[in-house]
Amino acid sequence: EPEVTQTPSHQVTQMGQEVILRCVPISNHLYFYWYRQILGQKVEFLVSFYNNEISEKSEIFDDQFSVERPDGSNFTLKIRSTKLEDSAMYFCASSGEASIRNQPQHFGDGTRLSIL
Amino acid sequence: GDSVTQMEGPVTLSEEAFLTINCTYTATGYPSLFWYVQYPGEGLQLLLKATKADDKGSNKGFEATYRKETTSFHLEKGSVQVSDSAVYFCALVGGGADGLTFGKGTHLIIQP
Repeated sequence: EPEVTQTPSHQVTQMGQEVILRCVPISNHLYFYWYRQILGQKVEFLVSFYNNEISEKSEIFDDQFSVERPDGSNFTLKIRSTKLEDSAMYFCASSGEASIRNQPQHFGDGTRLSIL
Repeated sequence: GDSVTQMEGPVTLSEEAFLTINCTYTATGYPSLFWYVQYPGEGLQLLLKATKADDKGSNKGFEATYRKETTSFHLEKGSVQVSDSAVYFCALVGGGADGLTFGKGTHLIIQP
């Protein structure tokens, strides 16, 4: 069964540094998402991406965050100047072409980001 | 805004017991509802879904019915196994929105 793959599985970065989290969505999917889960808290929506542009973003997704689909297979989340509170598990997801409400989102295994 | 409330865990049951994990929601419009499961060390996997009132989602012996009148989507299984031990997340996507809104998750522990 096709999978969403995320790399790396664990990223350790110094505060203030830039970090890029990488995702390869399922190949025939057109909608892409990033979520995060701070330890002990809910999974929170960050951003959705469709047709090479941001479709929706949450209040969490401020100017320090950006997303990109640099080629036909990768989808990246960049955090420009990391803060301690950015430490979390980051999940990438993708879904198919049909109406979003009827298409489940398929998640990767996540990247654990630790900011020191 | 939209929200999902799940029963607090951990929930500890013996093998072959009946399982219910409660989930209620608030949302504008007519959301689609989902249950995701996270096994240790893995990502979120879709367990089942329902997209309109009175729909029943089912998979791997788990079931949940979309109850609009009580704004609920409780997860049930008739006979749990040790391999069902995981964290279960109730989630919705509201009309016009892209992102899923998740509950806090319920940690289920099944003892042999």
